[in-house]
Amino acid sequence: EAGVVQSPRYKIIEKKQPVAFWCNPISGHNTLYWYRQNLGQGPELLIRYENEEAVDDSQLPKDRFSAERLKGVDSTLKIQPAELGDSAVYLCASSRGLAGETQYFGPGTRLLVL
Amino acid sequence: KNQVEQSPQSLIILEGKNCTLQCNYTVSPFSNLRWYKQDTGRGPVSLTIMTFSENTKSNGRYTATLDADTKQSSLHITASQLSDSASYICVVSGYGQNFVFGPGTRLSVLP
Repeated sequence: EAGVVQSPRYKIIEKKQPVAFWCNPISGHNTLYWYRQNLGQGPELLIRYENEEAVDDSQLPKDRFSAERLKGVDSTLKIQPAELGDSAVYLCASSRGLAGETQYFGPGTRLLVL
Repeated sequence: KNQVEQSPQSLIILEGKNCTLQCNYTVSPFSNLRWYKQDTGRGPVSLTIMTFSENTKSNGRYTATLDADTKQSSLHITASQLSDSASYICVVSGYGQNFVFGPGTRLSVLP
């Protein structure tokens, strides 16, 4: 069974440019998470989807961040415009959606904003 | 505020030695606690999961303990190997809540 797939693995952009990350969760997993992880810290939740519905986006900086999961499978996270402080690893995770289910993480996208 | 704290921040041990990592949390109500291993450049991978009624869980050389009364957990690694070098993240979830991640402990195992 394939794990959570993310692309690109690495992205270097200049500040004020847009950037997008893509995630394909494990087949059959209804819940999808986007996290941001700064160096030396644990992941911080940005947004959680149950199928195509964003059920928790309270930590998503909505002035510049947006996300979508149109068909309840793949998801895209976008930043426009990027700022220097957005440099981090962006992790996508998925789970079956049952209460307390383990999350399975992708390898992450490492973003560097210059 | 729901928080998870971990100690030490980093740890260096020699191959073959044992070590114990600590996790303290204030998440309430409590549902379960997980320990994840995160290799450099990779996403976290679940090692153990414990619910309120469980006080110990093993996965090979990894043994996690939970004291729900004092809200503390530990992860003990026996006979460490070079491949154990990674960050170990404690994650606590409450009923109907999102997961609260600790900052992790960075373990380095030296030959």
